[in-house]
Amino acid sequence: QVQLQESGPGQVKPSQTLSLTCSVSGGFIRSGGYHWSWIRQHPGKGLEWVGYISYSGSTYYNPSLTSRLTISVDTSKNQFSLRLSSVTAADTAVYYCARRPSYSYYFDQWGQGTLVSVSS
Amino acid sequence: QSVLTQPPSVSGAPGQRVTISCTGSTSNIGGGYDVHWYQQFPGTAPKLLIHGNSYRPSGVPDRFSGSKSGTSASLAITGLQADDEAYYYCQSYDHSLSVVFGGGTKLTVL
Repeated sequence: QVQLQESGPGQVKPSQTLSLTCSVSGGFIRSGGYHWSWIRQHPGKGLEWVGYISYSGSTYYNPSLTSRLTISVDTSKNQFSLRLSSVTAADTAVYYCARRPSYSYYFDQWGQGTLVSVSS
Repeated sequence: QSVLTQPPSVSGAPGQRVTISCTGSTSNIGGGYDVHWYQQFPGTAPKLLIHGNSYRPSGVPDRFSGSKSGTSASLAITGLQADDEAYYYCQSYDHSLSVVFGGGTKLTVL
């Protein structure tokens, strides 16, 4: 059973860059067949898709975030990462990493989530 | 506002049947894209409940079922139990926006 685990700072200052990493265990990103995803949830709100990346590095971003967002993959470490620049308080959220089978658009495995607060 | 519309809340007594609707448009659900459902308890990650409109992953009880018609989909829960009390989210694909979620529905077991 594959497991995902988010890591990164719990607090970021406004205008700075939010960086998170998702470590995958129990399976290999390089095996293919999946897109590796980020989804966020603002406090007390619903879910918002952020973006995803294939094992080969092809990326797909939420149109509302694309100008500030970079998702990358490191198959040697079995990790993928998110960088969101020029953050504001509106980026405060729980960030989840998740796995998406490439043949469909659902998310079958999720990390536990990590809360990132944007404040000075 | 979410691209997919769900009722903010539904409720039912133990043993009853409840349904949660998810309404989209011709650019997502009505465009032939599948609908998926997730269950989320407070403070925990969402869990996949239904994929491909009506398929249950291994381990999900058959009390949970999904259906889709036109621009809408529904999640039905029969034999309601106290531990079904959670938030439920629908999700699909939109040809303009990519992955989209509903706003979520809080299920209260009376």
